[in-house]
Order: sequence, then structure tokens, then C-alpha cells
Amino acid sequence: ETGVTQSPTHLIKTRGQQVTLRCSSQSGHNTVSWYQQALGQGPQFIFQYYREEENGRGNFPPRFSGLQFPNYSSELNVNALELDDSALYLCASSLIQNYGYTFGSGTRLTVV
Amino acid sequence: AQRVTQPEKLLSVFKGAPVELKCNYSYSGSPELFWYVQYSRQRLQLLLRHISRESIKGFTADLNKGETSFHLKKPFAQEEDSAMYYCALSGQAAGNKLTFGGGTRVLVKP
Repeated sequence: ETGVTQSPTHLIKTRGQQVTLRCSSQSGHNTVSWYQQALGQGPQFIFQYYREEENGRGNFPPRFSGLQFPNYSSELNVNALELDDSALYLCASSLIQNYGYTFGSGTRLTVV
Repeated sequence: AQRVTQPEKLLSVFKGAPVELKCNYSYSGSPELFWYVQYSRQRLQLLLRHISRESIKGFTADLNKGETSFHLKKPFAQEEDSAMYYCALSGQAAGNKLTFGGGTRVLVKP
């Protein structure tokens, strides 16, 4: 059984640029959630995808968008990057019928 | 809206001493409560969930609906318990998303 894998592990972007982060779900999981974790804070829910559709969203602007693919992998896209977008981005997969969330190691995004 | 509060940012205890991490929540309905742990250089992982009513690594947590609390306890802390602990809640009314508290760092001194 494979866990949740995220890529890349680190990246640095310039303010105003766009970024795409990727996540492969744990085998058998059909739901993917994305979280933003700023330094010294708990993870904040961005959005969740189930069967390739967004089915929940937190308090993040529309420039945060995502996709889920038929194999349940997922992407997080952020447009017009701002300095405050610098954070650890976590992906978690689960079966929607239960609450067994499995987290990836995260992508550390630095916006300069 | 749901909210999770962990009032202590840092807990420092000696090895063998009891440790209790506080967690209070607000939620309309029947929440599912969790404790997640993050050891140094490792990913966030589930420690325990209230519905399982189990003890993991000597930790237990009791859901008190009257006080809306879900405190995590261990009677005898070990050095390997040093980590970041997050309380989280979920539920159907919240679309099954996890809402996390700010976290408590536990440092167990020898």
C-alpha cells in the first residue's frame, strides 16, 4: 500500500508567478484535500475533491484552484502568487465514507 | 462555523511525568474528533480518534460534549513523545473537512 506522495518538496517562486503542486493519493482513496500550513500555525483547509469535483472549499480566494484526475491524483494551482502564500502545502487523501485522512510530507513554497 | 482551540503553544515536562494537552472545540452537530502528531522531520499522522475509544502509545482522549473538550492525556511521558500535536475536528456538517487547532509543542526532558 503506497502512501500519499507530493511533488516537488520545495520550490521558490517570485511574486506574481503561478505554481502547480502535485499529489498522488494513497491507493484506494478517492478523496483529496489540500491544506495550507503557515509557519507556527495549524493546517488550514483549502479545498477538497471527490470524484474529480470540488465538494468543499475553505476561505481561500479563487486564485487557488485545483484538479482531481481519474486516478484520484490531484493538483493545486495558485495564480498571482503573493508573499503571504509562502507556506507548507499539505495534501491528504481519504475515503469519503470515513475519516481516515493520510497526509503527504508537503511542499514548502517560498514566494520572494 | 467550527473552531478548534489549543490554548498551550508549548508544554515542557520531565520524563515520567503526566502530560495533558488541552483541546476545546465549537461545532453545530456531532463532531468527529482527532489528535494528529508530527514528529521531527516526519509527516503529520493520525494518533487517535474519539470514535475508536482506543489508547495509542499510552495516550488517551475523552470527548466531553458538555465542556466541548477533547483533551489528550498520558500518565507517564517518554522522551520519544516530544513532537507537535494537533487537535482536529470533522463532521458531515463540515463537509468532512478537517479543522485543526494551532498545535501544541510537547518537549519531554530527560
